[in-house]
Amino acid sequence: SQQGEEDPQALSIQEGENATMNCSYKTSINNLQWYRQNSGRGLVHLILIRSNEREKHSGRLRVTLDTSKKSSSLLITASRAADTASYFCATDAISNNNDMRFGAGTRLTVKP
Amino acid sequence: DAGITQSPRHKVTETGTPVTLRCHQTENHRYMYWYRQDPGHGLRLIHYSYGVKDTDKGEVSDGYSVSRSKTEDFLLTLESATSSQTSVYFCAISARGGYTFGSGTRLTVV
Repeated sequence: SQQGEEDPQALSIQEGENATMNCSYKTSINNLQWYRQNSGRGLVHLILIRSNEREKHSGRLRVTLDTSKKSSSLLITASRAADTASYFCATDAISNNNDMRFGAGTRLTVKP
Repeated sequence: DAGITQSPRHKVTETGTPVTLRCHQTENHRYMYWYRQDPGHGLRLIHYSYGVKDTDKGEVSDGYSVSRSKTEDFLLTLESATSSQTSVYFCAISARGGYTFGSGTRLTVV
């Protein structure tokens, strides 16, 4: 079963706006990761945040983690048309033998 | 994607036939994974390997087997393909800080 669940399922914004995607999970984790997938391609790793971290930045990406609420958010600032893709969270849960489990993803469309 | 290749990229096969997908890595990583991706389900783990001849089941392993006779190759076999196994299959290696995925194999079972 999926460990991570992204919200919303789809998001459409204008270029230059910020995009926020959320991820909720069920069990205790070691770390949480965000991936991006362009249509017809494999997933590309964006950022990893460990369970003892609360926030990480990478370029225009900002990830937060709230282990008390079992949730994470991915913020993309100043979005570009090239950010159009699906975004997935994945969790490395102790209960899953540390295998990564992925959510169903958020489909982000950035209109030029 | 650098260091990991999947073959074939596309395949159409008939119900009941065996099918083998190949994943090849040049990174000498110990851990390798096979996932399937279906609309509404995200990626689901089929099998994984933690070394040569060391494999284990994931959450959707029924109807699939794997083999790893060399560090660089991880094979996924559909023993008798069914229409429910029509999917996009991704191989991944576990690298420091995250997974690296192949470009995927689109399998259609007719």
